[in-house]
Amino acid sequence: EPEVTQTPSHQVTQMGQEVILRCVPISNHLYFYWYRQILGQKVEFLVSFYNNEISEKSEIFDDQFSVERPDGSNFTLKIRSTKLEDSAMYFCASGGARMNTEAFFGQGTRLTVV
Amino acid sequence: GQQVMQIPQYQHVQEGEDFTTYCNSSTTLSNIQWYKQRPGGHPVFLIQLVKSGEVKKQKRLTFQFGEAKKNSSLHITATQTTDVGTYFCVSNFGNEKLTFGTGTRLTIIP
Repeated sequence: EPEVTQTPSHQVTQMGQEVILRCVPISNHLYFYWYRQILGQKVEFLVSFYNNEISEKSEIFDDQFSVERPDGSNFTLKIRSTKLEDSAMYFCASGGARMNTEAFFGQGTRLTVV
Repeated sequence: GQQVMQIPQYQHVQEGEDFTTYCNSSTTLSNIQWYKQRPGGHPVFLIQLVKSGEVKKQKRLTFQFGEAKKNSSLHITATQTTDVGTYFCVSNFGNEKLTFGTGTRLTIIP
């Protein structure tokens, strides 16, 4: 069964450092998302990406965040200067051709900022 | 802003008892999806409801979408230990972001 793959599974970084979280969405999907979940809390939308550009973003997704699909398969989330409050589980998801289809989530990257 | 509220936040049930979680929105929803997240896991899609008053069943799980498309429920009959996890209702409010509900964490007492 196709799946969304995320690497690394766990990333520890010092405050102020840049991190790149990587995702390989399901190959024929067209919609890509990043979500985050602070421990034990709700899943929060960060950004959606369609047709090689950002289609929606939340207020959380400020200038320190960026997304890229550099090579047609990988989908990355970059956090330029990490803060302690960026510590969370980051989930990548992808969806099929239509907006209202199910989203397939990756296993997540646990980011710990120290 | 657009949000989806769920109740209860936590539910502890004896194995074999039934469980229901409720989802409410102040605005009409174009659709509602339900996801399950096992402890330490990632959200996994369960079902999507689109039509007013729609009812769908998956084995012991029954999903309903309200007539006004502002609320939904998930009912599990005769819970099992494998049902443990957090259940989220999710909607996109007609745009491309999925807005997750606050979730209901289900724990089962064996």
